[in-house]
Amino acid sequence: SSELTQDPVVSVALGQTVRITCQGDSLRNYYATWYQQKPGQAPVLVIFGENRRPSGIPDRFSVSSSGNTASLTITGAQAEDDADYYCISRDSSGDQVIFGGGTKLTVL
Amino acid sequence: QVQLQQWGAGLLKPSETLSLTCAVYGGSLSNYYWTWIRQPPGKGLEWIGEINHSGSATYNPSLKGRVTISADMSKNQFSLKLTSVAAADTAVYYCAGALLTGGHWGQGTQVTVSS
Repeated sequence: SSELTQDPVVSVALGQTVRITCQGDSLRNYYATWYQQKPGQAPVLVIFGENRRPSGIPDRFSVSSSGNTASLTITGAQAEDDADYYCISRDSSGDQVIFGGGTKLTVL
Repeated sequence: QVQLQQWGAGLLKPSETLSLTCAVYGGSLSNYYWTWIRQPPGKGLEWIGEINHSGSATYNPSLKGRVTISADMSKNQFSLKLTSVAAADTAVYYCAGALLTGGHWGQGTQVTVSS
């Protein structure tokens, strides 16, 4: 499969927990990588592999996966988490990279 | 700390060739995969293609043979060429390294195609 599907819009109350999902057949074989993008800025790597966070990314970000679905969880969402989130993975052949359509997260 | 700096023409006419270059600092082209990505206005990210440490490139089939990614190991730079551009190619173009595991991105280049 060459598609990753994300919910376009998700909202969460400040301090609550939110899950952003990404579905695709390739996720049965490849980890999802997650990026955060704020308006006018380049995307920032949030998490990859088996819960690996780059330096500077808070530990309130975590990932899980089951079958063809990968999930990014933010535990205790903060105002600065208000952004677009993209999942990325290899396609089923491993030859190409595929992007999810993105999820706009609003922190209320 | 790997840093990427990109440059290239920002305004093109239809049918012209888009040409962008990305210089890698603090890292070597011999490591990682090096990628070009674009983002049309108000839309999501699109993978254009990548080149690996051996110089082998892979492209998004949707670009139908218009794209070429190359690398100059002596300069530690990699480049994107997209031929026969049209208005639909208007986007912010990003170069990136280790997209799936390292997340090193250039600053982005706004490319506008307009007659």
